[in-house]
Amino acid sequence: DVKVTQSSRYLVKRTGEKVFLECVQDMDHENMFWYRQDPGLGLRLIYFSYDVKMKEKGDIPEGYSVSREKKERFSLILESASTNQTSMYLCASSLSPQRYNEQFFGPGTRLTVL
Amino acid sequence: AQKVTQAQTEISVVEKEDVTLDCVYETRDTTYYLFWYKQPPSGELVFLIRRNSFDEQNEISGRYSWNFQKSTSSFNFTITASQVVDSAVYFCALSATPGGYQKVTFGTGTKLQVIP
Repeated sequence: DVKVTQSSRYLVKRTGEKVFLECVQDMDHENMFWYRQDPGLGLRLIYFSYDVKMKEKGDIPEGYSVSREKKERFSLILESASTNQTSMYLCASSLSPQRYNEQFFGPGTRLTVL
Repeated sequence: AQKVTQAQTEISVVEKEDVTLDCVYETRDTTYYLFWYKQPPSGELVFLIRRNSFDEQNEISGRYSWNFQKSTSSFNFTITASQVVDSAVYFCALSATPGGYQKVTFGTGTKLQVIP
């Protein structure tokens, strides 16, 4: 079974802090994604990566950056956390950049920024 | 641009009733895939089904069935004889490769509550 793990289920940070959210997948998937999920807005794509050291902006990249130094790990970085970044963050992976691949999701990190 | 619309925010049904979740999509791509995912209260999205843009055959899997109609850009999901375990948020998604790489756009989700 594909397993996508995220470093924390719950995280509380203060405004202005630098925040790292880590995601690891164990099935050698090429594609990895970061979404945020907010009530009434569904899942919105922040960034995705189709290869090591490659990244593409999604629909809402402002205030975020990402890092993919190893194939299995995709990090989301909030350079200076703000209260409007309080949300549920979901990481996903898929086998390759082909459109037919289903995504496998992690359990999510609920981030609260005070 | 890709867009997925799930107009039903929340639906409540009594156990054993049938329920249909609507999904309407927009895309300029001629080749794309549509997905449904289930998010139970535990939070982890789970893949349910995929359908490609050239295959309009309906699909049935146990109590679940999917109706894809390209003419109306819809990919609706029906649960027959609903059960309490079906209570979850259901997401419809569209996957295409507009820039050569997979991009997946999700709808806003429909929360289904099945009342015993």
